[in-house]
Amino acid sequence: DAGVTQSPTHLIKTRGQQVTLRCSPKSGHDTVSWYQQALGQGPQFIFQYYEEEERQRGNFPDRFSGHQFPNYSSELNVNALLLGDSALYLCASSPRTRGKYEAFFGQGTRLTVV
Amino acid sequence: RKEVEQDPGPFNVPEGATVAFNCTYSNSASQSFFWYRQDCRKEPKLLMSVYSSGNEDGRFTAQLNRASQYISLLIRDSKLSDSATYLCVVPGGSQGNLIFGKGTKLSVKP
Repeated sequence: DAGVTQSPTHLIKTRGQQVTLRCSPKSGHDTVSWYQQALGQGPQFIFQYYEEEERQRGNFPDRFSGHQFPNYSSELNVNALLLGDSALYLCASSPRTRGKYEAFFGQGTRLTVV
Repeated sequence: RKEVEQDPGPFNVPEGATVAFNCTYSNSASQSFFWYRQDCRKEPKLLMSVYSSGNEDGRFTAQLNRASQYISLLIRDSKLSDSATYLCVVPGGSQGNLIFGKGTKLSVKP
């Protein structure tokens, strides 16, 4: 049983560029959340997708957008990259079971903006 | 008070030691809590879930004090392999976004 998989694992982009990160959830999971983890910090919630719609959003600007596909996989898009967007981007999947919030994380995409 | 606050660490302990991490949370309505472990440059991995007063799994014990809005993680008989950052996590909303503390770094020395 494959766990949560993310691609790519590492990425280097230039300021002002756009980036797309991808995530396939764990088998049986239909909810995907994205987190940003800066060095020395805990992960920060970006947004969550369920039934192909954004259900919750954290305190991130509109430059951060996403999508969920019918097979539950998801993309995170970041436009007009800033140096401060350099971070580890984590995808987490979970089953849509009310009262249960256990999430399983992918290995992350390490984004460096230069 | 920040939503989730943890001991800043780092904790440097010898093998075999008992170590405890503390975490406070601000949302008194929270019903579930988690401890995640994160190795250097890796993803967080779920260590323990706490849905009532506490949970025990081998050398690891998590305790919850709702009155004080306080969670602790106790590790007994520390192993070298326990060296990692431990993240205290609280659900942030009704549908399951997670709020993470900054993490406490543990280093177990021979």
